[in-house]
Amino acid sequence: EVQLVESGGGLVQPGGSLRLSCVASGFTFSTYAMSWVRQAPGKGLEWVSSISGDGAKTYYADSVKGRFTISRDNSKNTLYLQMNSLRAEDTAVYYCAKFGVPAAMGSYFDCWGQGTLVTVSS
Amino acid sequence: DIQMTQSPSTLSASVGDRVTITCRASQSISSWLAWYQQKPGKAPKLLIYKASSLESGVPSRFSGSGSGTEFTLTISSLQPDDFATYYCQRYNSYSWTFGQGTKVEIK
Repeated sequence: EVQLVESGGGLVQPGGSLRLSCVASGFTFSTYAMSWVRQAPGKGLEWVSSISGDGAKTYYADSVKGRFTISRDNSKNTLYLQMNSLRAEDTAVYYCAKFGVPAAMGSYFDCWGQGTLVTVSS
Repeated sequence: DIQMTQSPSTLSASVGDRVTITCRASQSISSWLAWYQQKPGKAPKLLIYKASSLESGVPSRFSGSGSGTEFTLTISSLQPDDFATYYCQRYNSYSWTFGQGTKVEIK
């Protein structure tokens, strides 16, 4: 069974940093691209970032480009999101999501974690 | 950037109703469209991919159609478990943009 478990969320002050983790199991992690998607309280889904299976290619939404960094450690089956220069508008539940098609960046997301809440406030 | 627009934003319906949600892309995305269902406090769940392919385990009352710029998600007979928010998503050209969502409420 595919499982994605996020951690690392919490309360952080504006301008601060946080690193999210997502531990994957139940599939060959390195074969699949992964993504982070966030959802502000009471709002819709917003794609944040994606990374290829080998970690060589990364993509970011304009809203986080230059502040967030996605990475992965395939030896640990773990996806990361390093978030710097955090703003109030980054407050959201952050989900990690698995791509549905192996070795492809043009894919939907077929499995999601339960999410971790990030609150940016003084 | 290609924008994804869903309509309506909210839909009130009764159990047994046929429900249709529309998603429009500002430019052609071929058939690179997925639909997700999300219930309060839960992660989204994939329903449909490549515009009309039903994800394994999803009830057959859900169907998707369309290509290019206009897409629809249809629930043939609304069940109590279907009251939720539905999102479309494009996934082409290294962009994975979501529509703003359609909330299906009990009438």
